[in-house]
Amino acid sequence: TQLLEQSPQFLSIQEGENLTVYCNSSSVFSSLQWYRQEPGEGPVLLVTVVTGGEVKKLKRLTFQFGDARKDSSLHITAAQPGDTGLYLCAGAFTSGTYKYIFGTGTRLKVLA
Amino acid sequence: GAGVSQSPSNKVTEKGKDVELRCDPISGHTALYWYRQSLGQGLEFLIYFQGNSAPDKSGLPSDRFSAERTGGSVSTLTIQRTQQEDSAVYLCASSWGTDTQYFGPGTRLTVL
Repeated sequence: TQLLEQSPQFLSIQEGENLTVYCNSSSVFSSLQWYRQEPGEGPVLLVTVVTGGEVKKLKRLTFQFGDARKDSSLHITAAQPGDTGLYLCAGAFTSGTYKYIFGTGTRLKVLA
Repeated sequence: GAGVSQSPSNKVTEKGKDVELRCDPISGHTALYWYRQSLGQGLEFLIYFQGNSAPDKSGLPSDRFSAERTGGSVSTLTIQRTQQEDSAVYLCASSWGTDTQYFGPGTRLTVL
């Protein structure tokens, strides 16, 4: 069974603090994606990482793909209330089929 | 152009009844995915279509669940003899090949 564990599950921080969310698996992925989901909406893609060790930056968000392509992290610098939401990682399998396995989710709340 | 749309947005049904959920993907998108999301949790993969065929049905929870896609476009997810544990948000996503998935807003299913 392919599983993606995210930690922490819940995070409540003050505006201006930094945070890191982790996404771990025993499986190797061809690529890994991070999404953010607002209540009542579908997830929206933030970034896709493909190469082991790859680092991508999106404004205050930094995404890293592990060297072995089994894990990833999302770091947010100087969090803002607008960052509040459910963050999901998703690993892609392309052997024999093409599907995504989603992580368990991290619910972030940034307090003003 | 229009994004992925799903209907109905909310569905309340009685245990034992059948329900049909509809997904209209983005025009031209070849791949279509169905996921299930329990309250505030990650997404559970159900089924993936490439064109009208479903190379991966491994996520369907039981034989009460079925899905079809016609004309390489609209897809319906049918749940027969609904049970209370089927209550969840059902999300559909489409993509051009293996490119970025775009999600619909979901259908919230409540089985009483």
